[in-house]
Amino acid sequence: GAVVSQHPSWVICKSGTSVKIECRSLDFQATTMFWYRQFPKQSLMLMATSNEGSKATYEQGVEKDKFLINHASLTLSTLTVTSAHPEDSSFYICSARDERVSGPQHFGDGTRLSIL
Amino acid sequence: GENVEQHPSTLSVQEGDSAVIKCTYSDSASNYFPWYKQELGKGPQLIIDIRSNVGEKKDQRIAVTLNKTAKHFSLHITETQPEDSAVYFCAASRVRTSYGKLTFGQGTILTVHP
Repeated sequence: GAVVSQHPSWVICKSGTSVKIECRSLDFQATTMFWYRQFPKQSLMLMATSNEGSKATYEQGVEKDKFLINHASLTLSTLTVTSAHPEDSSFYICSARDERVSGPQHFGDGTRLSIL
Repeated sequence: GENVEQHPSTLSVQEGDSAVIKCTYSDSASNYFPWYKQELGKGPQLIIDIRSNVGEKKDQRIAVTLNKTAKHFSLHITETQPEDSAVYFCAASRVRTSYGKLTFGQGTILTVHP
């Protein structure tokens, strides 16, 4: 079945560091990928929609200069948290959809980001 | 925009009992309703989905029902097992617009006691 791979699974870094998270669709091409943020015991909050070859669409309240998204190929989207601070610590999850078949969104296993 | 309400927030059942989780949505144009299971420290996993042209769908012990008129849909798990314990999320979207963007419910923590 469809698989979405997310890397790394866990990152700990110092305040002020920039962190890049990768999301890959392994067995299908994804023109569109989605980035979510999830706080403990809460639901998934959509941050942005990543479109291959064009600029990402950010949800209201999400700082585009803080969370840089690059969707350079049909199987890879990256989220870079720039100059990360402790309040950026969270669980970040990506998803992708096989649009050729109007398929469901499949999610990666998330990245636990901890900023010290 | 779409708003999805999910109830209950926690559900505790004995092994072998049935579990039902309910969701309501606000956007009458929504036409796709997936359910996801999320285990601790992992991403959500699709367990079943239903489109608006179908009223019910079943996959072994899991079933989903949809009432378009009332704008609500439900997840039914029969013969629950301890490994069913997880957080369950419902979601709604318009498949062919907004890139199929999902709006999630708040989640239900299901605990199945042996």
